Amino acid sequence: EAGVAQSPRYKIIEKRQSVAFWCNPISGHATLYWYQQILGQGPKLLIQFQNNGVVDDSQLPKDRFSAERLKGVDSTLKIQPAKLEDSAVYLCASSFAVGVNYEQYFGPGTRLTVT
Amino acid sequence: AQRVTQPEKLLSVFKGAPVELKCNYSYSGSPELFWYVQYSRQRLQLLLRHISRESIKGFTADLNKGETSFHLKKPFAQEEDSAMYYCALSSNYQLIWGAGTKLIIKP
Repeated sequence: EAGVAQSPRYKIIEKRQSVAFWCNPISGHATLYWYQQILGQGPKLLIQFQNNGVVDDSQLPKDRFSAERLKGVDSTLKIQPAKLEDSAVYLCASSFAVGVNYEQYFGPGTRLTVT
Repeated sequence: AQRVTQPEKLLSVFKGAPVELKCNYSYSGSPELFWYVQYSRQRLQLLLRHISRESIKGFTADLNKGETSFHLKKPFAQEEDSAMYYCALSSNYQLIWGAGTKLIIKP
């Protein structure tokens, strides 16, 4: 079974520029997560989708971050404009459904550097 | 507030020695806890969950509600155990993560 796919793997941008990340979850997985992992820290949930609806986006900085999952499959995460503190690895994960019994499967991540 | 603390950023042990990676949590209620692992150049993946009470790759973790701990243990470390280990707590169907411990197994 193919795993969670993410692109690009690396991105370097200047502050105030915009950037977008793409995620393709495991086929059949209804729940999709975007995490931000700053160097030396654990992942922090930014947004969680159930199919194409948002379950939780309480930690998403909505003034500059946006995310969508229009058809309940692929998802994009956008930052506009980027700040230096946005430098991090952005992880996408998916699970069959919501709940502790459903394992989250992670993609390889996108490493963003904002200069 | 819900929180997961991994007090050691780095743990270095010799091959064959016992390993204990510490995890403490703060949670009001009955916690669901997990250990995730990330090997070099690989993806973050689930190692074990406390509700399964399983042993994976020789690792075990016991939930101690009195000490609010969920330490990961292995009696005899192997070189392939070198990795980044994260403890995570489920809260409202979301995971709250510790900062991780880098485990280095010396030959």
